Amino acid sequence: GESVGLHLPTLSVQEGDNSIINCAYSNSASDYFIWYKQESGKGPQFIIDIRSNMDKRQGQRVTVLLNKTVKHLSLQIAATQPGDSAVYFCAEKSGYGNKLVFGAGTILRVKS
Amino acid sequence: ETGVTQTPRHLVMGMTNKKSLKCEQHLGHNAMYWYKQSAKKPLELMFVYNFKEQTENNSVPSRFSPECPNSSHLFLHLHTLQPEDSALYLCASSQEGTHTGELFFGEGSRLTVL
Repeated sequence: GESVGLHLPTLSVQEGDNSIINCAYSNSASDYFIWYKQESGKGPQFIIDIRSNMDKRQGQRVTVLLNKTVKHLSLQIAATQPGDSAVYFCAEKSGYGNKLVFGAGTILRVKS
Repeated sequence: ETGVTQTPRHLVMGMTNKKSLKCEQHLGHNAMYWYKQSAKKPLELMFVYNFKEQTENNSVPSRFSPECPNSSHLFLHLHTLQPEDSALYLCASSQEGTHTGELFFGEGSRLTVL
């Protein structure tokens, strides 16, 4: 169900360290997952996606891990930089429909 | 530049005003969306248009009226809004019929209702 007045979880990391952002999803039928990054004053931007027939996918400095057994998704950012500071959302979808369902988001703060 | 352009970026309106938000996508996509983003809440899907036809209305109050004249343009007409409607309204587009369905978002229109 929908949550009202959520207190977004915040992850603070030191510049250069690795970051791990977690997301739990609820629909066991979901077969496609996306991570989005939203910087202040901007719309969400695609980072990386993964289909349910995979458990890991790597991009440039980012890795997404999918554990279908416990319905858990994580985003790993290597060598975190100040420009990585943003809110990160996971989203899930099932089948060929359009409807992406978004999580509440996690704030990532990078300390220099 | 995401290929999805929203105007205006900021809008302040009174509860009796009528205004419209505009979205244009230059990506050749066939589906467009309106999302509402309120502080500390998940993104809420409002409307979906596939090939100019509305395929989803997520129980949105009638004071929000969408219009999709073609697959590249989407409007959200606003009238007699309430202060709780103040939020960031995000437009997005995608290519429907694929098994991925990545959404491309605009920068949003920040709406304040007084």
